[in-house]
Amino acid sequence: QQQVKQSPQSLIVQKGGISIINCAYENTAFDYFPWYQQFPGKGPALLIAIRPDVSEKKEGRFTISFNKSAKQFSLHIMDSQPGDSATYFCAASTGGSYIPTFGRGTSLIVHP
Amino acid sequence: GAGVSQSPRYKVAKRGQDVALRCDPISGHVSLFWYQQALGQGPEFLTYFQNEAQLDKSGLPSDRFFAERPEGSVSTLKIQRTQQEDSAVYLCASSLEAKAFFGQGTRLTVV
Repeated sequence: QQQVKQSPQSLIVQKGGISIINCAYENTAFDYFPWYQQFPGKGPALLIAIRPDVSEKKEGRFTISFNKSAKQFSLHIMDSQPGDSATYFCAASTGGSYIPTFGRGTSLIVHP
Repeated sequence: GAGVSQSPRYKVAKRGQDVALRCDPISGHVSLFWYQQALGQGPEFLTYFQNEAQLDKSGLPSDRFFAERPEGSVSTLKIQRTQQEDSAVYLCASSLEAKAFFGQGTRLTVV
């Protein structure tokens, strides 16, 4: 059973548009929710993260929205750029070990 | 170094051969993780170390997989008698608290 479900599998947006990727989780013990960006041939790079005591976190063009009651969280990329084209993974972990459990990823393509 | 370093970057092994993959974590990071990433999939957890102690190895797919971190720094993932289904990218990550930082991975191809 997949602990973190991610959608959509792929996403195409125009330059300047908003990219939205959604994730849902089942384990209520999760208390740290990072997003990773991965380019081909590279390892995942930590992009932004949130804890469940806040509903939103913004860093530059990247925003995480968190809905604790629905057990859902999403990544919004504002003013999407061709350089944002990559695979994005949501993840979740529990305190102590903080072992990330990953979603299956979203391949984002931003057209110029 | 500034980040997590993995070597080799690429490894081609003949089926049945043993391989060893190395991970140099960020200096001072207590936690170290190994993941397996199949093409087009998300990273799948293999094992977790806190310093030299292997606290979780629940993700290792078989007893052919073995990991160690004897001095609490560098770690080695060893795969014995490699099979074609072992072909994947093996990622190492280290963390101090919640933030995990990944290396570039080792792409293993078993032929």
